[in-house]
Amino acid sequence: GQQLNQSPQSMFIQEGEDVSMNCTSSSIFNTWLWYKQDPGEGPVLLIALYKAGELTSNGRLTAQFGITRKDSFLNISASIPSDVGIYFCAGQVIIQGAQKLVFGQGTRLTINP
Amino acid sequence: DVKVTQSSRYLVKRTGEKVFLECVQDMDHENMFWYRQDPGLGLRLIYFSYDVKMKEKGDIPEGYSVSREKKERFSLILESASTNQTSMYLCASTRQGHWLGYGYTFGSGTRLTVV
Repeated sequence: GQQLNQSPQSMFIQEGEDVSMNCTSSSIFNTWLWYKQDPGEGPVLLIALYKAGELTSNGRLTAQFGITRKDSFLNISASIPSDVGIYFCAGQVIIQGAQKLVFGQGTRLTINP
Repeated sequence: DVKVTQSSRYLVKRTGEKVFLECVQDMDHENMFWYRQDPGLGLRLIYFSYDVKMKEKGDIPEGYSVSREKKERFSLILESASTNQTSMYLCASTRQGHWLGYGYTFGSGTRLTVV
């Protein structure tokens, strides 16, 4: 089946630094999504990307849908302590009428104050 | 806001037990999903359902079954729990539609330990 390769798997940064993570796939996806999971909680949707080449911002977050539709990146500017968590990329496909998400392995972000 | 509720946050079960994980959503979503989350492996799809009494295998269905008797409830069943099923289990739901981009709404997860 489809697979997403997400990197890096973990990041240790200082508060205030910028963060960048990305996902690549051998398959084409029609939608890319980025989720964040706080400790002890389920993932929450941060950004959704619908068009190849699209660049979308949500506050300090910026994400892009690669032009080939096989990759996406997420940037976080000026990191703060509440950015700690696991970030997942996901590609969306339709199977038998159901929206199915394929997830990356996750990037665990740790911030030193 | 849509809410997806998983009945237990933590469970400890013995090897060989039959285990039920329950998930309820309150927004009339057609599609529901069960994932397991393991470090370094991300979220892997176990089963999904796009309608009452309908179920489809995901990527790792072995050792699991599901039940969807009512639209709002999707149950994951471990017929005979084994230690390699120790994991975080996440339920999710979304509404039907070919327009992409709704994403999923996730529950808070059930951390299952099999001893």
